[in-house]
Amino acid sequence: KAGVTQTPRYLIKTRGQQVTLSCSPISGHRSVSWYQQTPGQGLQFLFEYFSETQRNKGNFPGRFSGRQFSNSRSEMNVSTLELGDSALYLCASSLGGQAPEAFFGQGTRLTVV
Amino acid sequence: QKEVEQDPGPLSVPEGAIVSLNCTYSNSAFQYFMWYRQYSRKGPELLMYTYSSGNKEDGRFTAQVDKSSKYISLFIRDSQPSDSATYLCAMSARYGGATNKLIFGTGTLLAVQP
Repeated sequence: KAGVTQTPRYLIKTRGQQVTLSCSPISGHRSVSWYQQTPGQGLQFLFEYFSETQRNKGNFPGRFSGRQFSNSRSEMNVSTLELGDSALYLCASSLGGQAPEAFFGQGTRLTVV
Repeated sequence: QKEVEQDPGPLSVPEGAIVSLNCTYSNSAFQYFMWYRQYSRKGPELLMYTYSSGNKEDGRFTAQVDKSSKYISLFIRDSQPSDSATYLCAMSARYGGATNKLIFGTGTLLAVQP
């Protein structure tokens, strides 16, 4: 059974640009969550999508957005990039029902210069 | 104060030692407790998940939850150099199963010396 796939693995962007990251969850999983991981703050919840609807959102500015498609694949977008957005962005896949287990992808390492 | 507190370490132990990793939390609504292992440059890997209070064992790993003390632990028996990684605790308050949002500890860096 294939795991969670995130693309691309690495990105280098310039301040002010925007970026789109992609996540393909485990087959049959309907919930996709996104997290930002930095050395200083650790893993912080960005948002969660379930059946194409955002059902929870963390404390991040509106520059961070996401969406989910009918096949459960998800994308997150960061606009007007800032140096502080440099981080590992992780996608987690869950069934979405009562089972809370979340399975992570390898992440996308974003560097903003 | 953070909702979940975890000693960042680093924790260094000799091979074969018993390792104890711990987290405390403040939100009494947390019901699901998970432990993840993260190797350098990799995504977190789910090790164990526990619902409410009690113990759960899986091979060399044992997870304990004490909701009355708001304290969870992960024990690793017969530790191996391959256990060297960052261990993250994570918790979830599931309101009617409406969200899978996880709150993470900052992680404990473990080094098992051969």
